Amino acid sequence: NAGVTQTPKFQVLKTGQSMTLQCAQDMNHNSMYWYRQDPGMGLRLIYYSASEGTTDKGEVPNGYNVSRLNKREFSLRLESAAPSQTSVYFCASSEVGYPVSVSSGANVLTFGAGSRLTVL
Amino acid sequence: AQTVTQSQPEMSVQEAETVTLSCTYDTSESDYYLFWYKQPPSRQMILVIRQEAYKQQNATENRFSVNFQKAAKSFSLKISDSQLGDAAMYFCAYRVLQGAQKLVFGQGTRLTINP
Repeated sequence: NAGVTQTPKFQVLKTGQSMTLQCAQDMNHNSMYWYRQDPGMGLRLIYYSASEGTTDKGEVPNGYNVSRLNKREFSLRLESAAPSQTSVYFCASSEVGYPVSVSSGANVLTFGAGSRLTVL
Repeated sequence: AQTVTQSQPEMSVQEAETVTLSCTYDTSESDYYLFWYKQPPSRQMILVIRQEAYKQQNATENRFSVNFQKAAKSFSLKISDSQLGDAAMYFCAYRVLQGAQKLVFGQGTRLTINP
């Protein structure tokens, strides 16, 4: 099982360029997430998709768009990259969708390996 | 909004000794999950342990255990018999149960193991 696969692992962009980070999971999970990780700030949620066909904003959505292409795939797009978007990006997925009961044995996020993006 | 605070940016411990990492959180919810994730230099986020808020018993996973104090909104991680492979960034995280179960992370604690 590959789990959660992100591509590319590294990318350097110039300000104003666009790019898409791809994420795919093979665990039949309902929910998928995009986080960014910056030094001293932990991981912050950009966008999430509770289930196929739905997407919602997280803490820091500005400058990003997402597409839940199907149950397996959830992409993150930077339309016009800015230096402030230099970060490490993580995709994650979880088994349980919305709503969920307290006693559910799942509720664990599985993360991809991360994508380091540098915007010059 | 929920927040998670890790007040120790860095910690170090001698190999084979015990270390405790602190975490506090703020929420008005009564039902939720708490997690500790480990991030080694490989960058992969690895689940270490989780705690269901409705359970009074503290979770344990081999050398890892938590001290969950619901009233104080405190969730510390104890690592016993520290090993060199435990060196990593450790993140405390809170998961909302209402809505889309988003994880809210603390800022992280960098743990160094001294041989």
